Amino acid sequence: DGGITQSPKYLFRKEGQNVTLSCEQNLNHDAMYWYRQDPGQGLRLIYYSQIVNDFQKGDIAEGYSVSREKKESFPLTVTSAQKNPTAFYLCASRSGSTETQYFGPGTRLLVL
Amino acid sequence: RKEVEQDPGPFNVPEGATVAFNCTYSNSASQSFFWYRQDCRKEPKLLMSVYSSGNEDGRFTAQLNRASQYISLLIRDSKLSDSATYLCVVNVLRSGSRLTFGEGTQLTVNP
Repeated sequence: DGGITQSPKYLFRKEGQNVTLSCEQNLNHDAMYWYRQDPGQGLRLIYYSQIVNDFQKGDIAEGYSVSREKKESFPLTVTSAQKNPTAFYLCASRSGSTETQYFGPGTRLLVL
Repeated sequence: RKEVEQDPGPFNVPEGATVAFNCTYSNSASQSFFWYRQDCRKEPKLLMSVYSSGNEDGRFTAQLNRASQYISLLIRDSKLSDSATYLCVVNVLRSGSRLTFGEGTQLTVNP
């Protein structure tokens, strides 16, 4: 099946720990995005990448890092510098020919 | 002022009702408009794009008024399965085709 996968579905982070969220797509999309959603709020853009080996900060990049070494993969690392990481993290991708973004199922990150 | 503002909701309607959601956007340079649907604890999914002339997809009708910077979504003959949060989404065609999301309007359709 073609689509976007995210893992894990749930992730627990201890104080001072870095954690990495996986996002993979087999849609051959050039652009990929990471969003954060807090309860009752809209999605906020963390980072995005238009092509391999290139990425830009979104509106709330502090405390996060990304890489884009392969077209299919865009992992997000939540670093210990992110003081309030508990949220629902959504990855999306977009084909170059449209503006529509398609989302993965998300990862819920909880702090222990 | 928020870039995209939606009716705060929540909306509770009986099955078969017609319900309308409104959305305003602040940036007049906005180029593309969408409605996404998000079920509880799930990812958003594209419901429909919104075109300048207005467009319809079955029971759903989307309208765009560029002069007033206003978007609407009308749902006719509501079904129980329409219960979800509806997100108004705008693209200002900045670098990377970034989308700006409203906070969503929650709809519950009751039997």
